[in-house]
Amino acid sequence: DAKTTQPTSMDCAEGRAANLPCNHSTISGNEYVYWYRQIHSQGPQYIIHGLKNNETNEMASLIITEDRKSSTLILPHATLRDTAVYYCIVLNEKLTFGTGTRLTIIP
Amino acid sequence: NAGVMQNPRHLVRRRGQEARLRCSPMKGHSHVYWYRQLPEEGLKFMVYLQKENIIDESGMPKERFSAEFPKEGPSILRIQQVVRGDSAAYFCASSPGGHFLGYTFGSGTRLTVV
Repeated sequence: DAKTTQPTSMDCAEGRAANLPCNHSTISGNEYVYWYRQIHSQGPQYIIHGLKNNETNEMASLIITEDRKSSTLILPHATLRDTAVYYCIVLNEKLTFGTGTRLTIIP
Repeated sequence: NAGVMQNPRHLVRRRGQEARLRCSPMKGHSHVYWYRQLPEEGLKFMVYLQKENIIDESGMPKERFSAEFPKEGPSILRIQQVVRGDSAAYFCASSPGGHFLGYTFGSGTRLTVV
């Protein structure tokens, strides 16, 4: 599975957009980018996924660069409940979790 | 439309006892995955099962751990002769038909070995 690189931690002010970057320079053409998050001690929660095109749902937007070597998850109006560890995963055969980004929303 | 159900939520076992963790997938899902999360660490894949078959057990410890997903009933993760190092959160996920359709996770079972 392609390796992903994410910042260890980030802060974001409540109400602002949270932009979480992810590098996946070794991604293959048929591998999807998935984002999950884990709110303290709970089970991971699916956020969004994409292959080539940008995607948007009720939770977030996913921007994938044209060369597919990086992507950005955008939470448009962060709330305190968005404080969590966010995992960017390149899916080939199974979900393999890295260390993720610990996002803290500041009041 | 219940999600992935795991029970028990919390399980305490003495060293040497057996632990059985249950996972009922979402309705219509026939693929089950087990993950383990040690304290302050990330989630590690353990095993992937379809009904009555183990598809990928590359993350399972070689000894004391086993998993099954029978034709009827929940998937079971069994840990024999537990040791303190088995203390962790064990998460189950299910999907309707393989990896690309995404996984839905349960709330986990927190195993404490005393």
